[in-house]
Amino acid sequence: EPEVTQTPSHQVTQMGQEVILRCVPISNHLYFYWYRQILGQKVEFLVSFYNNEISEKSEIFDDQFSVERPDGSNFTLKIRSTKLEDSAMYFCASSEQGPAETQYFGPGTRLLVL
Amino acid sequence: RKEVEQDPGPFNVPEGATVAFNCTYSNSASQSFFWYRQDCRKEPKLLMSVYSSGNEDGRFTAQLNRASQYISLLIRDSKLSDSATYLCVVPPGGSQGNLIFGKGTKLSVKP
Repeated sequence: EPEVTQTPSHQVTQMGQEVILRCVPISNHLYFYWYRQILGQKVEFLVSFYNNEISEKSEIFDDQFSVERPDGSNFTLKIRSTKLEDSAMYFCASSEQGPAETQYFGPGTRLLVL
Repeated sequence: RKEVEQDPGPFNVPEGATVAFNCTYSNSASQSFFWYRQDCRKEPKLLMSVYSSGNEDGRFTAQLNRASQYISLLIRDSKLSDSATYLCVVPPGGSQGNLIFGKGTKLSVKP
């Protein structure tokens, strides 16, 4: 069964450093998403991406965040200057149709900012 | 009203018990709904989709009441492996928007 993959599984970084989280969505899916989940809290939407551009973003997704689809398979989330409060689990998801359809989640990257 | 509100839990039940979770939502334009299951420190995984009045899949039954903006999940004959957090997820009402997650209800099934 096809699945969303993410690398790395864990990332530890110093405050102020840049991190890039990588995702490979399911191959025939057209819509891609990033979510985050701070420990003990609910899953929060960050951004959705379709047709090589951002289709929607939340208030969390400020100028420190960016997304890119550098090739035909990868989908990345970059945090330019990490803050302590960026520590969370970051999930990538993809769906065949739009955001109202079933989204399939990757295993997540646990980011710890020190 | 909060966008998606769930029973806070935790629910601690013995094996074989029947347990029900409730969820209310505020976006009356949403047409479909989802229950996801999330194990500790893992990704959410789709359990059931609900597009009409309800859906049944084995031991799991989801029901939707659009008038009351209420969704429920019933688990019959619960197993130890059902122990997880159950997330009520409400999509946007149209082609734009994003999934709204509830905080989840934690279920612990004991032997």
